[in-house]
Amino acid sequence: AQSVTQLGSHVSVSEGALVLLRCNYSSSVPPYLFWYVQYPNQGLQLLLKYTSAATLVKGINGFEAEFKKSETSFHLTKPSAHMSDAAEYFCAVSPGGYQKVTFGTGTKLQVIP
Amino acid sequence: DTAVSQTPKYLVTQMGNDKSIKCEQNLGHDTMYWYKQDSKKFLKIMFSYNNKELIINETVPNRFSPKSPDKAHLNLHINSLELGDSAVYFCASSQGGGNSVETQYFGPGTRLLVL
Repeated sequence: AQSVTQLGSHVSVSEGALVLLRCNYSSSVPPYLFWYVQYPNQGLQLLLKYTSAATLVKGINGFEAEFKKSETSFHLTKPSAHMSDAAEYFCAVSPGGYQKVTFGTGTKLQVIP
Repeated sequence: DTAVSQTPKYLVTQMGNDKSIKCEQNLGHDTMYWYKQDSKKFLKIMFSYNNKELIINETVPNRFSPKSPDKAHLNLHINSLELGDSAVYFCASSQGGGNSVETQYFGPGTRLLVL
């Protein structure tokens, strides 16, 4: 069984401030982890994914995430928020193979000018 | 040049009706998916097809029937629509044989409202 928990359904940051979106996972096997972003009225787009290579994963738009096995976490960060980062962010987990990807409930990021 | 496209974008219908949503991808991917996103943004997989073969079939009512005429198309037919079917339905596709490590590319969604 696998699941992800995203702490905080809404996060507000000021423009230029650090973005930190939290994700904790539960998986009975070594997990593959993903962050997707959804802009209003659009489909999801992959930001980055962890596939058991480097624990610090860099993605698009300046985002990165660090896999911490001891904390079962995969938090998403960006040093400086832009207005264009306002969106819904989804953490997801998969055991690999021909298994489904399980998504978290999402975190809505608001960027305040 | 939309990679994953869905039609219609919006669908408003009455309870009890039958409707279809179409999905096409021009990425050359082998695997396609249907997801349902409810009003609380919770995203859950419904079906997955690889080269027209069903590989993931979550516990959804059998009123929902996916059909894949070829690997570039995956349609979703819904019989006897109910109020609880109101949601946004996303189609997605990925390379490979359905390995969940592969990046999934999502369509823009179909917003279904059942009255």
